Amino acid sequence: GAGVSQTPSNKVTEKGKYVELRCDPISGHTALYWYRQSLGQGPEFLIYFQGTGAADDSGLPNDRFFAVRPEGSVSTLKIQRTERGDSAVYLCASSLSGGEETQYFGPGTRLLVL
Amino acid sequence: QKEVEQNSGPLSVPEGAIASLNCTYSDRGSQSFFWYRQYSGKSPELIMFIYSNGDKEDGRFTAQLNKASQYVSLLIRDSQPSDSATYLCALSTNAGGTSYGKLTFGQGTILTVHP
Repeated sequence: GAGVSQTPSNKVTEKGKYVELRCDPISGHTALYWYRQSLGQGPEFLIYFQGTGAADDSGLPNDRFFAVRPEGSVSTLKIQRTERGDSAVYLCASSLSGGEETQYFGPGTRLLVL
Repeated sequence: QKEVEQNSGPLSVPEGAIASLNCTYSDRGSQSFFWYRQYSGKSPELIMFIYSNGDKEDGRFTAQLNKASQYVSLLIRDSQPSDSATYLCALSTNAGGTSYGKLTFGQGTILTVHP
């Protein structure tokens, strides 16, 4: 079956612009995670959804970052007033129901803020 | 102190040798431990997970966990050039009685297996 998909694969934007990053999890997976990975670092947790609700958004760096999952499947990560420091690979992962199951990662979106 | 510490490497081993990757962590409440492999430009993929103290073997891979020493390692036997990648150690912590899988990653160790 299809894995986790993310669009776009690459996004170049200018400082101050708004961007949306999309994640389509594996069908039937209720748990969805967003991570951010900077060059030479491991992924850093941003937010976790169980169904439609954000169960833990403690990793969002500030109020410029927001994520939604209105129907419990596709999720969108939204970044307002982008800054150069937001440049990174944004990874989405899903698992069957949360907990300690395997998280399957998508290919990521490479965001470059000029 | 970082929550999860790994030597960034690079670790270079000859083909056929054993590669030993190490990870220490600071949170004694950590419950579950994972090793992910990440090829350059690709997303992480799970190799192994371990929950209990001791060793867990899967093919050429062995994960070792010592909760008292807050140490987890990954051994790769008969290393192959295709094993060359970044290896990420990750853990999840029980929060309020529920472990929901939020992963905390180390920075990763770059492994190079040369022919």
